[in-house]
Amino acid sequence: ILNVEQSPQSLHVQEGDSTNFTCSFPSSNFYALHWYRWETAKSPEALFVMTLNGDEKKKGRISATLNTKEGYSYLYIKGSQPEDSATYLCAFIAGGTSYGKLTFGQGTILTVHP
Amino acid sequence: NAGVTQTPKFQVLKTGQSMTLQCAQDMNHNSMYWYRQDPGMGLRLIYYSASEGTTDKGEVPNGYNVSRLNKREFSLRLESAAPSQTSVYFCASTGPSSYNEQFFGPGTRLTVL
Repeated sequence: ILNVEQSPQSLHVQEGDSTNFTCSFPSSNFYALHWYRWETAKSPEALFVMTLNGDEKKKGRISATLNTKEGYSYLYIKGSQPEDSATYLCAFIAGGTSYGKLTFGQGTILTVHP
Repeated sequence: NAGVTQTPKFQVLKTGQSMTLQCAQDMNHNSMYWYRQDPGMGLRLIYYSASEGTTDKGEVPNGYNVSRLNKREFSLRLESAAPSQTSVYFCASTGPSSYNEQFFGPGTRLTVL
């Protein structure tokens, strides 16, 4: 079983704050790293699919970076809004025989207070 | 396109009963997955099917069976439900060139009494 860890487990911020959270994953046999946004009572939706060391991706106020050599990815939210409140999941995919199987972290629950 | 659909949305079973959760996708995706989601545990892979005619175990396959009926449909069967299988079940699919980006269904909330 692959070890994918997310921190912190939960986060409360005020509207307008910027925030970031971490996903740690095995630094060997890397294929891809995904970030998903999961709102209450909905299904997870992909934010970013990251495949290369040094990748930086951005979607509006949300961005992510990837370091495959040391096995971590950061997700940043600039100027948090109440609608950003959700659980943010990362998922690691190993290459080779594990191809196709995602291992999810436990998620970071973000609450943005007005 | 409906994307990924799941039935039923809710189900209550008694211990020992059996049931099948249905999943279908209309995106012509090759790979399909079944996950369960429990508080504090994130999403855990039960089974997946890389392509029509193939299935493989995930992290938590015990107590479940799957059938990849055709390219569109991937069902999950509980032969003898146990309270430990109370969970929310998500089906997902992925296309061939998307580094396995998952498209999720709406989920099935299952309670086993």
